[in-house]
Amino acid sequence: DGGITQSPKYLFRKEGQNVTLSCEQNLNHDAMYWYRQDPGQGLRLIYYSQIVNDFQKGDIAEGYSVSREKKESFPLTVTSAQKNPTAFYLCASRIKMGVGEKLFFGSGTQLSVL
Amino acid sequence: AQSVTQLDSHVSVSEGTPVLLRCNYSSSYSPSLFWYVQHPNKGLQLLLKYTSAATLVKGINGFEAEFKKSETSFHLTKPSAHMSDAAEYFCVVSDPWSGNTPLVFGKGTRLSVIA
Repeated sequence: DGGITQSPKYLFRKEGQNVTLSCEQNLNHDAMYWYRQDPGQGLRLIYYSQIVNDFQKGDIAEGYSVSREKKESFPLTVTSAQKNPTAFYLCASRIKMGVGEKLFFGSGTQLSVL
Repeated sequence: AQSVTQLDSHVSVSEGTPVLLRCNYSSSYSPSLFWYVQHPNKGLQLLLKYTSAATLVKGINGFEAEFKKSETSFHLTKPSAHMSDAAEYFCVVSDPWSGNTPLVFGKGTRLSVIA
């Protein structure tokens, strides 16, 4: 079955450490997104990518980096510059089909600081 | 630019009574609209979506939503709340014809169901 896989489900980061969250999809979707979720603030866009080797900053990109070397993969790195990384991170993908547009979400990664 | 406003951050209903979660959107074109539900520590599950077909959309678990272009609204309803409906609900707007605009989420509405 096709879908989006996020890993790990739980991740702990030490002070000053970079960590990478994985997002893989086998849906052949062009667009992929990373969102951060904090209690009471909904989902905020970190980065998104419409095609391979191209990505754009979202609303809260500072302290994060991404790559899109393959269509299937859109990893998110939380760098040491991100001073408040504790949050729930969701990856999504989308295929542009007009009225048949489809969105898929991963099951999320909870990142906490040790 | 697209935007979504969920008018209530928290809604509390008694079990067996109707549910109304309100969503207004702003979009310069015919959008796709979605409602997602998120149970604690889980990912998002699609309840229903509107993509310019029928304006009354039926989803899973007895939920439905009506697209009203004149009111720019896409409110989510359910005739009778169940305890298992307690969760966070998100309204999402998307442009289905453009790859340059990402998904836009509302801030969410937390639904509490009282026994």
